[in-house]
Amino acid sequence: DTGVSQNPRHKITKRGQNVTFRCDPISEHNRLYWYRQTLGQGPEFLTYFQNEAQLEKSRLLSDRFSAERPKGSFSTLEIQRTEQGDSAMYLCASSPQYFGPGTRLLVL
Amino acid sequence: DQQVKQNSPSLSVQEGRISILNCDYTNSMFDYFLWYKKYPAEGPTFLISISSIKDKNEDGRFTVFLNKSAKHLSLHIVPSQPGDSAVYFCAALPPPEGSNYKLTFGKGTLLTVNP
Repeated sequence: DTGVSQNPRHKITKRGQNVTFRCDPISEHNRLYWYRQTLGQGPEFLTYFQNEAQLEKSRLLSDRFSAERPKGSFSTLEIQRTEQGDSAMYLCASSPQYFGPGTRLLVL
Repeated sequence: DQQVKQNSPSLSVQEGRISILNCDYTNSMFDYFLWYKKYPAEGPTFLISISSIKDKNEDGRFTVFLNKSAKHLSLHIVPSQPGDSAVYFCAALPPPEGSNYKLTFGKGTLLTVNP
C-alpha cells in the first residue's frame, strides 16, 4: 500500500495524559501536513513540513502540541496534558492533497 | 472568517438523479480547487479537482464547474448512487509559489442518496 498511513486509528485517553500519533506519508513526498477535524467542521490546518523543516504552525496549535519530522519521512504529533477539547480526528496529508485515514482521539 | 463556504449542510436526492453540491470562496488568491468525499471515521478521499484556468473538469460520473468571476464552484454527480452517500468537502489551494500550499476547507455537505 503506497498511500498515507496513520497510527493508531483510535485513541482513548484520560484528561491530562500525553498522546502521540504517527503519520507515514507517500514515499518521496516532501510536503506533509497535519489537520484537525471536529464534528460539523471541515479539516483545519495545524502545521506543515517541507522535508524535515516545520515551516508553518497554526494558531490552533497551542504550546501543548508539538510535531516533528526528524528525517523528512514519517512525522509525529504529540499532545501533552490532553484536554477534553482536544477530542477530534487528526488527519495527515501528503503533498498536499492525499489524506491518511486519520486518528480519532477521545479525551475522557 | 470562512474563506470557503458550503452553505447547504445537507442534500437528499433520489437514486439515478443528479446531485449538485455548491461551494463559494472569498479569497481571489485561490487558484486550484478540490472536492473530497468523506465517510465517518475515515480520512477524506480525493475525488476531482479543477484549476482556475478551466471552467469544467469531468471524471466519469463527477463533473466540477468553476465560475471564477462569481467565485463559485459546483460538483455534479450523475447518476447518483446510494454509495455516494457521504459528506462532501470543497477545498481550495493558493498557488504553490510563495505559500505553504495548504488546503482551506468548507464545512461540508452531507449527501444522502435514497434508493
